[in-house]
Amino acid sequence: SQTIHQWPATLVQPVGSPLSLECTVEGTSNPNLYWYRQAAGRGLQLLFYSVGIGQISSEVPQNLSASRPQDRQFILSSKKLLLSDSGFYLCAWSVKEAGASTGELFFGEGSRLTVL
Amino acid sequence: AQSVTQLGSHVSVSEGALVLLRCNYSSSVPPYLFWYVQYPNQGLQLLLKYTSAATLVKGINGFEAEFKKSETSFHLTKPSAHMSDAAEYFCAVSERSGGYQKVTFGTGTKLQVIP
Repeated sequence: SQTIHQWPATLVQPVGSPLSLECTVEGTSNPNLYWYRQAAGRGLQLLFYSVGIGQISSEVPQNLSASRPQDRQFILSSKKLLLSDSGFYLCAWSVKEAGASTGELFFGEGSRLTVL
Repeated sequence: AQSVTQLGSHVSVSEGALVLLRCNYSSSVPPYLFWYVQYPNQGLQLLLKYTSAATLVKGINGFEAEFKKSETSFHLTKPSAHMSDAAEYFCAVSERSGGYQKVTFGTGTKLQVIP
């Protein structure tokens, strides 16, 4: 069966420090991968998605970047964190094939980032 | 462009009462629709999904939703609320966009169950 893991689960970082959140998927190959951010009362905001290794699309301009160095690995990074980067970050994957994909997303456990 | 509107950011029901969480969507093509549940400090878990088969969709934990095209609605219901149903619920719509299914979420509804 497929599983998705992300870490760390919680992170407290000072303003201006770097960030690296990691996500890996097991039990499937060639998935679409996503990073979402969740802020209180604002639902889920899609930050990045990837349809393949090295292929990253950004949905909103921001202080963050994403990379996909391997098929089932997705990394969210920042060189210098801002206070506004605080939030709950969720990694997700979906089936890629057009005929098989409905857009159903499978989420990781989430990473709570607090920037002080 | 697709969008999702969830009416009511907070809903309170008594234990044993009917749960009704409202969701309206807009989509330029026949959509796929989803309800997800999120417990505190956890990821989202799929409750149920509509993929153009039966309009009444049954999900986990006794929840169901009915797709009504004429009303562009996909409301979530459960006949009898349980304390364990207290969580945040998200409605979502999916459309094909470029090389992937683009998913748009509503802002969520927090369900409180009162003993």
